[in-house]
Amino acid sequence: AQTVTQSQPEMSVQEAETVTLSCTYDTSESDYYLFWYKQPPSRQMILVIRQEAYKQQNATENRFSVNFQKAAKSFSLKISDSQLGDAAMYFCAYRPIQGAQKLVFGQGTRLTINP
Amino acid sequence: KAGVTQTPRYLIKTRGQQVTLSCSPISGHRSVSWYQQTPGQGLQFLFEYFSETQRNKGNFPGRFSGRQFSNSRSEMNVSTLELGDSALYLCASSFGGREGYTFGSGTRLTIV
Repeated sequence: AQTVTQSQPEMSVQEAETVTLSCTYDTSESDYYLFWYKQPPSRQMILVIRQEAYKQQNATENRFSVNFQKAAKSFSLKISDSQLGDAAMYFCAYRPIQGAQKLVFGQGTRLTINP
Repeated sequence: KAGVTQTPRYLIKTRGQQVTLSCSPISGHRSVSWYQQTPGQGLQFLFEYFSETQRNKGNFPGRFSGRQFSNSRSEMNVSTLELGDSALYLCASSFGGREGYTFGSGTRLTIV
């Protein structure tokens, strides 16, 4: 079964600095999607960034970028120039291309931004 | 474009009752998935519907069921509620899944 592990339950960073959230996953599939979702206190899960495993180039969305290491099954999220609005729970998620169309989530990392 | 709408936002029920939660996906999205979020178990997949058919089901007891209508709106039903069913229930819709899923704000269900 596929599993996703986020080893950092909590992280904090100073406003305007850079922080990296870690995520590892386990799968025997060769093609899949990876996502980072943000869940603020409003509860709504917001898609931050996605990566297709067959693409070697790391995805980037404005201040958010990933470091995708397929062989190591690692998918970390880097947030540059952290802003107060970035404070939230961050979830890493995996979805296979074939088979069950469902997201497998990690346990989440609570990110605090210090002003 | 309207997002994913879940109703109600909050619900309090007593043990043994049943409950129905509703989800209206983004227009044009035919896939609707449901997830249960609890502090202890995290986010767990319940089921996914596509064009009125259940395509995938998670590891939940038969008390949890769902359906999807021809307009893609979906409902999930939980019968014989237990205290452990207290959770945030999230609905997500997608066009094909590749682009990611759009989530609603969830229904907070409390069982007393």
